[in-house]
Amino acid sequence: KQEVTQIPAALSVPEGENLVLNCSFTDSAIYNLQWFRQDPGKGLTSLLLIQSSQREQTSGRLNASLDKSSGRSTLYIAASQPGDSATYLCAVKTNNAGNMLTFGGGTRLMVKP
Amino acid sequence: EAQVTQNPRYLITVTGKKLTVTCSQNMNHEYMSWYRQDPGLGLRQIYYSMNVEVTDKGDVPEGYKVSRKEKRNFPLILESPSPNQTSLYFCASRDRVYEQYFGPGTRLTVT
Repeated sequence: KQEVTQIPAALSVPEGENLVLNCSFTDSAIYNLQWFRQDPGKGLTSLLLIQSSQREQTSGRLNASLDKSSGRSTLYIAASQPGDSATYLCAVKTNNAGNMLTFGGGTRLMVKP
Repeated sequence: EAQVTQNPRYLITVTGKKLTVTCSQNMNHEYMSWYRQDPGLGLRQIYYSMNVEVTDKGDVPEGYKVSRKEKRNFPLILESPSPNQTSLYFCASRDRVYEQYFGPGTRLTVT
């Protein structure tokens, strides 16, 4: 059964810092991996989707990489801003697991002014 | 605007009183699903639907029902809610490249 882990669970950084969020998964036979942002009490906003054949995706200050063989993905946030404060979740769709999407526990990010 | 909507956004009810949470998407997606989010347990899938009249259980289906009579709507039904169903519920739809779109969430409290 696929397991997705995100470390650290919480992170606090000063504004302007570049940072990396980590996501690891146990079964490398994945179809894709998606990064989401969740603000407190709100829904999930899709940030980046990486298909299994891709190594990375970029959107603005965000860059997500995927290394299937090692079961890892990273979300790089450049020049962090207080508005980036949120919980970041990664989710994996595994091959041969039907339509199940497995989520990590999230990393709660706080960017201090 | 492409979106997934849910209603109600907040609901407080009592044990045993049937309720329905509606979900609608305007992106013509075939696939829709329901999740619940609980502290320490993360997001878990309740039910999903591949298309009209096609539904299947996710990880935690006990105590829930769904129906898919129209492509755009996927209501979640709690026939006899219990306090352990107090949670934050999300509806989602998915496009053909498996990108997920989530609704704003419904916070349910069962007393």
